[in-house]
Amino acid sequence: KNEVEQSPQNLTAQEGEFITINCSYSVGISALHWLQQHPGGGIVSLFMLSSGKKKHGRLIATINIQEKHSSLHITASHPRDSAVYICAVRRGGTSYGKLTFGQGTILTVHP
Amino acid sequence: SAVISQKPSRDICQRGTSLTIQCQVDSQVTMMFWYRQQPGQSLTLIATANQGSEATYESGFVIDKFPISRPNLTFSTLTVSNMSPEDSSIYLCSVALTGGDTQYFGPGTRLTVL
Repeated sequence: KNEVEQSPQNLTAQEGEFITINCSYSVGISALHWLQQHPGGGIVSLFMLSSGKKKHGRLIATINIQEKHSSLHITASHPRDSAVYICAVRRGGTSYGKLTFGQGTILTVHP
Repeated sequence: SAVISQKPSRDICQRGTSLTIQCQVDSQVTMMFWYRQQPGQSLTLIATANQGSEATYESGFVIDKFPISRPNLTFSTLTVSNMSPEDSSIYLCSVALTGGDTQYFGPGTRLTVL
């Protein structure tokens, strides 16, 4: 079993829909990252969480440390949100950058 | 924030040759990281590149195959040596600024080995 599991693996939505991507992990962590990867391969960091909730525009990320679970929500989805969304965790006590990644969720938003 | 550039953005190489990938950051950073993303897979950390010392390699990666240079605080190179088709991947450079709140990634180098 992978240390970081994402669901769903593939997600198709219509423009305007509310989207949720889930991430569960099995190790102790000091931080969790949500990343966005576009078809060209480049990766953008969306959020870093160690507790609670963060919001940036239409994106909301939450984390429940006790349940070892995080969610990424996209409100009013748009075709430009189509990308791969990756959850990554930094284990407690490890240096920055040593991340363990989930397999990614492929999101396609249709107009 | 940090802006990272990588060269080349993509390349097609022949088996047995080597390719050096460059990573340039617009600010001084202590630690730079090299990741590999094989087709259909998630990212895997290859090594941590520290300025002034040898790179630290993760399990399964060795210096002879992936030599790394880190001559200063804004630049690093990763060489993929004696390439085989299994080395076909996206290679990404990354940095974490002091405080580690955000991880910045380069645009990636898409390598195809024939």
